[in-house]
Amino acid sequence: EIVLTQSPGTLSLFPGERAALSCRASQSVSSNYLAWYQQRPGQAPRLLVYGSSSRATAIPDRFSGGGSGTDFTLTISRLEPEDFAVYYCQQYGSSPYTFGQGTKLEIK
Amino acid sequence: QVQLVESGGGVVQPGRSLRLSCAASGFSFRSFAMHWVRQAPGKGLEWVAAISYDGGFKDYGDSVKGRFDISRDNSKNTVDLQMNTLRPEDTAVYFCAANWDTGYWGQGTRVTVSS
Repeated sequence: EIVLTQSPGTLSLFPGERAALSCRASQSVSSNYLAWYQQRPGQAPRLLVYGSSSRATAIPDRFSGGGSGTDFTLTISRLEPEDFAVYYCQQYGSSPYTFGQGTKLEIK
Repeated sequence: QVQLVESGGGVVQPGRSLRLSCAASGFSFRSFAMHWVRQAPGKGLEWVAAISYDGGFKDYGDSVKGRFDISRDNSKNTVDLQMNTLRPEDTAVYFCAANWDTGYWGQGTRVTVSS
C-alpha cells in the first residue's frame, strides 16, 4: 500500500498570498497518477488536478500541480477567500487507492 | 449535467446489513469504472471499493474485504454497495465517484452503525 504524507497539517495564510502544499508518497506513484482535491465543510471533494499536473474542468489557473515519482506539490498562486478549505492528495496508480491525511488551509 | 445521487443511508445496528445505491446521469456511465469512497466523522477520505466499466472486475479496501460487495447495472445507470456485518467503524458518509480523472462525485449518503 502506498502511504501519502501531506505537509503541513495546517497552513495559515492571508488572502492574496501564495500557498504550497506537499504530498510525499512512500513509493513511486505509477504513471504519476496523483490527484488533488479540495473539500469544503459538508461538501463532496472537488477534483482540482489529476495526472499530477493536469487541471480539472473549470478549475481556475491559480491552481497548479507538479512533481513526479514520490514528491508532489499543489500550488495556489494567489489565495481567494473561497480557497480556504481542506486539501487531499490521492494516488490512483495502484490499488488500494490511497489518500493523504489532508492539509487544512486557514485564513490568518 | 453530470449527476451522481447516492441513497440508502441510515442508522443500522452492528452486525446488520445495508445497501447503498448511486444513480448516475449526464455521462456515458457504461464506459466508466465506478468507486465508493467514505469519510468517517471528522476524518479523511478512504477508498472502499471499485468496479470496472462492465462489472467484470471488482476490488476492495482491506477494511471491507469479505463484508462489502459492489455491483452495477448498466441498463439502469446504477452502482450499488451491499454492506454486510456492519461495524461501528463503518460509520461514515459514503460517496460514489466515477473514473478518478473525471471529477464526478456524488454528495454522499450518511451511514451510522450504532446500537
